[in-house]
Amino acid sequence: DADVTQTPRNRITKTGKRIMLECSQTKGHDRMYWYRQDPGLGLRLIYYSFDVKDINKGEISDGYSVSRQAQAKFSLSLESAIPNQTALYFCATSDSSTGSLGANVLTFGAGSRLTVL
Amino acid sequence: AQRVTQPEKLLSVFKGAPVELKCNYSYSGSPELFWYVQYSRQRLQLLLRHISRESIKGFTADLNKGETSFHLKKPFAQEEDSAMYYCALGRGSGNTGKLIFGQGTTLQVKP
Repeated sequence: DADVTQTPRNRITKTGKRIMLECSQTKGHDRMYWYRQDPGLGLRLIYYSFDVKDINKGEISDGYSVSRQAQAKFSLSLESAIPNQTALYFCATSDSSTGSLGANVLTFGAGSRLTVL
Repeated sequence: AQRVTQPEKLLSVFKGAPVELKCNYSYSGSPELFWYVQYSRQRLQLLLRHISRESIKGFTADLNKGETSFHLKKPFAQEEDSAMYYCALGRGSGNTGKLIFGQGTTLQVKP
């Protein structure tokens, strides 16, 4: 079984719809992240959570929200999807218990491909 | 500004040829540099990190603070090296885990 599981893997939706992407992990890591991948732009950080009660905006958080339901679960929501949110979304985790080096080693999910028409 | 630049979108070489994927960074603090790789139909995963000074799958990367570079090198490319490679900058203190990624370079190794 995968350590970091993302659902759905693929989703096509229409402009204005609310979408939730879910992420769960069995790594026992305290930190979780949502990144967005666009061709030519690499990966950009949307939101991150250092623990259940610590959620922070990344560099491109506008139009997105998140929920850390438990240490193992971190969901990303698009309240009203728009076409330029069409992208591949990655959830990732890391473990801060070993210091900054461990915290910077990310374990990624398989990605959720979202298409907004 | 803190950024990572990978100037090549695509690098195409023949099997057995040397490979160098370029990465330059901009960061005023003490950086941690990583290379992540995504093979076809696989997850993005860590390839190597500068602090370990290790060779993984024949790849090495040296942090050059004077040139602010962290180029990835392999003396003899193999077809199985074909993948997307991302250079990433890790920052310390309260920014750990919030990696800044470059744009990515697709390495294509031809037979």
